[in-house]
Amino acid sequence: DAGVTQSPTHLIKTRGQQVTLRCSPKSGHDTVSWYQQALGQGPQFIFQYYEEEERQRGNFPDRFSGHQFPNYSSELNVNALLLGDSALYLCASSSRGVSYEQYFGPGTRLTVT
Amino acid sequence: GEDVEQSLFLSVREGDSSVINCTYTDSSSTYLYWYKQEPGAGLQLLTYIFSNMDMKQDQRLTVLLNKKDKHLSLRIADTQTGDSAIYFCAESNTDKLIFGTGTRLQVFP
Repeated sequence: DAGVTQSPTHLIKTRGQQVTLRCSPKSGHDTVSWYQQALGQGPQFIFQYYEEEERQRGNFPDRFSGHQFPNYSSELNVNALLLGDSALYLCASSSRGVSYEQYFGPGTRLTVT
Repeated sequence: GEDVEQSLFLSVREGDSSVINCTYTDSSSTYLYWYKQEPGAGLQLLTYIFSNMDMKQDQRLTVLLNKKDKHLSLRIADTQTGDSAIYFCAESNTDKLIFGTGTRLQVFP
């Protein structure tokens, strides 16, 4: 039973560029949440997707957007990258009926230069 | 507002018990969690407790919740070198998790 997978593992981008990160949820899960973890900090909630719609959003600007596909996988897009966007981006999946159990993927390390 | 606080660092000898503490501010928290993060890795869900419980035990892990004081603790019995990691406390009352800044546990021989 595959857990949560994310791609790519590492990514280096330049300021002003755009990036897309991908997440496949754990088998049987239908809800995907994205978190940003800056170095030395705890993860911060970006947004959550269920039934292909954004259901909740944290305190992140509109440069951060996402999408969920019919197979429940999800993408996180960040436009106009800033140096401060450098972080570990974590995806978590859960089942709507058991939403209190969130399982995390290994993350994508984004470095903006 | 929502805030979760943890001490930054804990050092214990192998075989001893570790106790990691956490305080939170949201009195409407429904679930409280402990996650473990090893270097360069994602978060591993260790355990969670529903807010109407005051204790939960799972093998070497014991979670204590004092809802009146909004205090959560994680006790690891017989701590091993493989337990060295960062431990995050988190709370939720909706589907989003609010995390603390993490406690780095170092286990020495």
